[in-house]
Amino acid sequence: EVQLVESGGGLVKPGGSLRLSCAASGFTFSSYSMNWVRQAPGKGLEWVSSISSSSSYIYYADSVKGRFTISRDNAKNSLYLQMNSLRAEDTAVYYCARDIHCSGGSCYTDWGQGTLVTVSS
Amino acid sequence: DIQMTQSPSSLSASVGDRVTITCRASQSISSYLNWYQQKPGKAPKLLIYAASSLQSGVPSRFSGSGSGTDFTLTISSLQPEDFATYYCQQSYSTLAITFGQGTRLEIK
Repeated sequence: EVQLVESGGGLVKPGGSLRLSCAASGFTFSSYSMNWVRQAPGKGLEWVSSISSSSSYIYYADSVKGRFTISRDNAKNSLYLQMNSLRAEDTAVYYCARDIHCSGGSCYTDWGQGTLVTVSS
Repeated sequence: DIQMTQSPSSLSASVGDRVTITCRASQSISSYLNWYQQKPGKAPKLLIYAASSLQSGVPSRFSGSGSGTDFTLTISSLQPEDFATYYCQQSYSTLAITFGQGTRLEIK
């Protein structure tokens, strides 16, 4: 069974930093692109960042570019999101999601339970 | 970035109704369009990929159609467990994946 378990969320002051982790199991982690998607309270889904299986390709939403860094450790079956210079508008539940590339396009078949990041003074 | 616009933003319907949700892209995305269902407090669930392919395990009352800029998600006969929020997602631009704003489906 595929499992994705996020951790590392919490309360942080504006301008602060936080590192999220996503532990993967039940599939060959090193074979899949992975993603972070967030959802602000009461709002819709927002894609944050993607990383290819070997970390060769990395993409970010404009809203986090230059502040967030996605990475992965295939030996540890883990995905990370380093978040710096956090702003109130970064407050959200952050999900990690597996991309299985359906019919040539990205599609997210498996999601974690999410971890809440709250940016507030 | 490619903008995805869903309509309606919310919808009230009854069990047994046929429901259609639309999604429009700001430019052609071929068939790189997915649909997700999200229930309160839960992670999204993939329903339809590549505009019209049903994800494994998803009931056949769900169907998708469209290509280019206009897409639809249809639920042929609403069941109680279908009341949720639905999102479209384009994957044509892998540099910037975007979701629609969501359609909340409520019980009438």
